[in-house]
Amino acid sequence: DIQMTQSPSTLSASVGDRVTITCRASQSISSWLAWYQQKPGKAPKLLIYKASSLESGVPSRFSGSGSGTEFTLTISSLQPDDFATYYCQQYNSYSGTFGHGTKVEVK
Amino acid sequence: EVQLVESGGGLVQPGGSLRLSCAASEFTFSSYSMNWVRQAPGKGLEWVSYISSGGSAIYYADSVKGRFTISRDNAKNSLYLQMNSLRDEDTAVYYCARRNSNYNFDYWGQGTLVTVSS
Repeated sequence: DIQMTQSPSTLSASVGDRVTITCRASQSISSWLAWYQQKPGKAPKLLIYKASSLESGVPSRFSGSGSGTEFTLTISSLQPDDFATYYCQQYNSYSGTFGHGTKVEVK
Repeated sequence: EVQLVESGGGLVQPGGSLRLSCAASEFTFSSYSMNWVRQAPGKGLEWVSYISSGGSAIYYADSVKGRFTISRDNAKNSLYLQMNSLRDEDTAVYYCARRNSNYNFDYWGQGTLVTVSS
């Protein structure tokens, strides 16, 4: 099975900061990677698909990059609504494995 | 607006069974593959099971294989998860999620809580 490793597990940041989250796959998944945002008590929300494509309605301050085994999610200027937990997910296989998540908290 | 509404969660004893349902509306349910994803309290997301649009292809996480059964009724726009031999570690919020043409989970339900405890 493909394993997904996210880092860091927690990130402390301030409004306006540039934030980068990394996700590594245990084997190549080409560009079959998505990023989700989840707030407490809510379902996850799709942000990025195919590693770098922005889901409709998602602010342009979110961007994704990478291919193969290394991927990043970048928030160019952190906004108050962005404090949440972020998950990467591979869908190279039907298992759809998620990373363990990165919590972005107020510094 | 696409809607997915889960139901059927609750408190069950270890070794017991529960059947979750997910009612879909405002999209052509029979055209989409569907998934169950769970989240234990305070933990991350765990993919549980996948079913193709017609129901012919089914996959499970190793952690539930042999105990859980996914199914769907396209005439009723409904997805199901039959959970048997439940364990403490199956305690979680269970979400149904639609898989779109880009293979992403673009719509999720609000989740239903399953608590396995004696």
